[in-house]
Amino acid sequence: EAGVTQFPSHSVIEKGQTVTLRCDPISGHDNLYWYRRVMGKEIKFLLHFVKESKQDESGMPNNRFLAERTGGTYSTLKVQPAELEDSGVYFCASSQEGGAADTQYFGPGTRLTVL
Amino acid sequence: EDKVVQSPLSLVVHEGDTVTLNCSYEVTNFRSLLWYKQEKKAPTFLFMLTSSGIEKKSGRLSSILDKKELFSILNITATQTGDSAVYLCAGGVSGNTPLVFGKGTRLSVIA
Repeated sequence: EAGVTQFPSHSVIEKGQTVTLRCDPISGHDNLYWYRRVMGKEIKFLLHFVKESKQDESGMPNNRFLAERTGGTYSTLKVQPAELEDSGVYFCASSQEGGAADTQYFGPGTRLTVL
Repeated sequence: EDKVVQSPLSLVVHEGDTVTLNCSYEVTNFRSLLWYKQEKKAPTFLFMLTSSGIEKKSGRLSSILDKKELFSILNITATQTGDSAVYLCAGGVSGNTPLVFGKGTRLSVIA
């Protein structure tokens, strides 16, 4: 079974530019989460989808961040315009609906560097 | 605010040593505690603990949860260089809700 995949692995952009990150969850997982790790800090929650609906977006830092999950499969996270403080590693995770729902499986992350 | 605190932040041991990693938590509506191992890329799932006092084991790794004192430990016996990684602890709130992570413990096992 394929795990959670993310694209790209690493992105370097200039301040003010736009970047779109993609996450493909494990097939059949309804729950999809975005997290971010800024250097020296903990991994922090950004957003939770259940299928195509945003269940919880309380962790989104501001309106420069837009997440979508059209069709309830893969998800994208767009940062526009990017700022220096957006640099970090963006992780995606997915989990099933049901008894083992708390077990979130993580992707390898996308390292975003904003210069 | 919910928080998870791990200690130590970093640890260097020799092959064959036994290590204990600590995780304390304050998570509203706490349901489960999860341990992950992160080497180069994706954090990989190790354990999920929901009941107090019941040890979970997987090879040389074991973990236990104390819901009264709000902490968990992860033990690794007879460490190997392949155990070198960042070990992450996370608290899960009830239902399908986001995880609250600690900063992680960076374990380095030297030959």
